[in-house]
Amino acid sequence: DAKTTQPNSMESNEEEPVHLPCNHSTISGTDYIHWYRQLPSQGPEYVIHGLTSNVNNRMASLAIAEDRKSSTLILHRATLRDAAVYYCIQETGNQFYFGTGTSLTVIP
Amino acid sequence: DGGITQSPKYLFRKEGQNVTLSCEQNLNHDAMYWYRQDPGQGLRLIYYSQIVNDFQKGDIAEGYSVSREKKESFPLTVTSAQKNPTAFYLCASSETGNTEAFFGQGTRLTVV
Repeated sequence: DAKTTQPNSMESNEEEPVHLPCNHSTISGTDYIHWYRQLPSQGPEYVIHGLTSNVNNRMASLAIAEDRKSSTLILHRATLRDAAVYYCIQETGNQFYFGTGTSLTVIP
Repeated sequence: DGGITQSPKYLFRKEGQNVTLSCEQNLNHDAMYWYRQDPGQGLRLIYYSQIVNDFQKGDIAEGYSVSREKKESFPLTVTSAQKNPTAFYLCASSETGNTEAFFGQGTRLTVV
């Protein structure tokens, strides 16, 4: 069974912010949350990861709820190149548990 | 350039034949992983290895085998015992412990 749940699909207008939600209600205290994205027929690409506090990098921000049972990936200004399937992943014991991902469509 | 390489990109095999998928990395990573991806699904872990000469089964190891004789190489054999081998196979590597994983470009295996 998947450890993370995400909406199947989302849409965003170009240059607008996007908030991609993820639930991970069974997470334990030492499990990290990772986000990767994948284009068709390619390997996943790292986006961001975190444990408890919010994280920022050049690609995105990760907001983790205080109880750690959910998180949100934030793309500050969506571009057409951000269209992909985004996976929220719970890392438990050095193993990555993928959900089914959210397919993001960016509308020009 | 440093990275992780899978070959071949496309592979066709007849039913009942074993086939080996190659995965090589020059990132000096200790950990390597094999995942399987089916259409519209997330990735499922087949095997992983944290160190040379050691590996563990993932969630769907039945019908697969691996070896880790060298740090940079982690080949996956899809055996004839795997009931539904047609899928997209992804290899990844990482330093151990809560770090970024690097994925290869995948091998799409079709068994006919």
